[in-house]
Order: sequence, then C-alpha cells, then structure tokens
Amino acid sequence: TQLLEQSPQFLSIQEGENLTVYCNSSSVFSSLQWYRQEPGEGPVLLVTVVTGGEVKKLKRLTFQFGDARKDSSLHITAAQPGDTGLYLCAGERKTSYDKVIFGPGTSLSVIP
Amino acid sequence: NAGVMQNPRHLVRRRGQEARLRCSPMKGHSHVYWYRQLPEEGLKFMVYLQKENIIDESGMPKERFSAEFPKEGPSILRIQQVVRGDSAAYFCASSLRGNTIYFGEGSWLTVV
Repeated sequence: TQLLEQSPQFLSIQEGENLTVYCNSSSVFSSLQWYRQEPGEGPVLLVTVVTGGEVKKLKRLTFQFGDARKDSSLHITAAQPGDTGLYLCAGERKTSYDKVIFGPGTSLSVIP
Repeated sequence: NAGVMQNPRHLVRRRGQEARLRCSPMKGHSHVYWYRQLPEEGLKFMVYLQKENIIDESGMPKERFSAEFPKEGPSILRIQQVVRGDSAAYFCASSLRGNTIYFGEGSWLTVV
C-alpha cells in the first residue's frame, strides 16, 4: 500500500512551460518535504512545509501544503532544462517516532 | 560543513560475496536512515537507526541484510551473499531529531 501517491509519474514539457506536480495521501502529516534528485546523485532537499495551507516560494518553484495536511503541490513557472530531475515528496508521521515516508516520485524532463 | 558522506560511491561484487556500505551522518546528527532505489523507481525505506539502536527495520529483507550504527564510527549496511537482485543505489540519510532528513550521494552496488 502506497501511503503517498505522486502524479503524474512522468512529465515531459518544453522549456518555458508551466507545470504542477501533486503529492497525495489519505494520511495526515506533521510536515512534508520536497526533494529533487538528478541521475547519479542523492536527493536534495528543496523545502519543508509544516502548517496546513502554507505556501512557500523558491525562485520559480511554489510549494503548497494542503489545509488538511494530507496533500501538497509543486508548481514550476517557466520551466528550464536545469529543472529536469526526479521530484520526491516525503511526509513525516508521528508514530512512536517521527517516521518519514517517501512517494514514488515524478520524473520531469524539460526539453530545450 | 560536511554533509552526509557515503563510501564507496561504486561497488562491484560477484554473486555470493559480501558488500559493506558505510555512512557518516552530518555533524551532530544521531539519526541515520538507509534507503534503496532501483532504476526508474522511488526510494524504498530499509532501516532507521540511532546510535547503537535499531529503531525501525521494517524495510529490511529478512535474510542477508543487516545494519548497525555503533557508538563510534560510521553506520554500516551489510549485505551477505549478494545476488543480482541486490544491484541498486543505496542511500543513507541523517537527521537531527528524526524530522527533515538530508541525503548522501549514494552507493551504487553492481552484482555480477
């Protein structure tokens, strides 16, 4: 059972286009992180969102945490080839400890 | 300001040999995680350790795999009697208190 779903699984767009990727769950998370991973490298943390409804901006990237803290979105404006990579969302759940669960990722390809 | 350090970056083993992957967490971090990633797939949780303790090993295969995080020295992921299906990228991550985690650059294991 996948606790975190990401959509779309694959996305190929032209340079300059806008896009949104989604991270959804039926579970509530105390925080959610977005990572980007390039081939042959480890995931790099982009942002952490904590509060329901929170919006964070990182240059051309806008991250939103759902009001109920069950979902999140990542919007990229005017995509560039350097945005190409695997985008992973990860949710933190309070169990007996703070457990971080990863989604399967969205593979983005930006064509020049 | 060293991040999470993993070595070796690339490891080739023949079937039946042992593989040892090492991970030094970020300075001050006492929580270590190991993940496995197959080509074109997301990160699969394997094990979560604190110093000298295994907190969650629900993602570890029941046989041949073991992990430790001793009081002194790096965390070790050990795979005995490797098989071709063990070929993957193995990522280590660390965190300060079990919330936001930071990844190393990974160790790529190839079993021939």
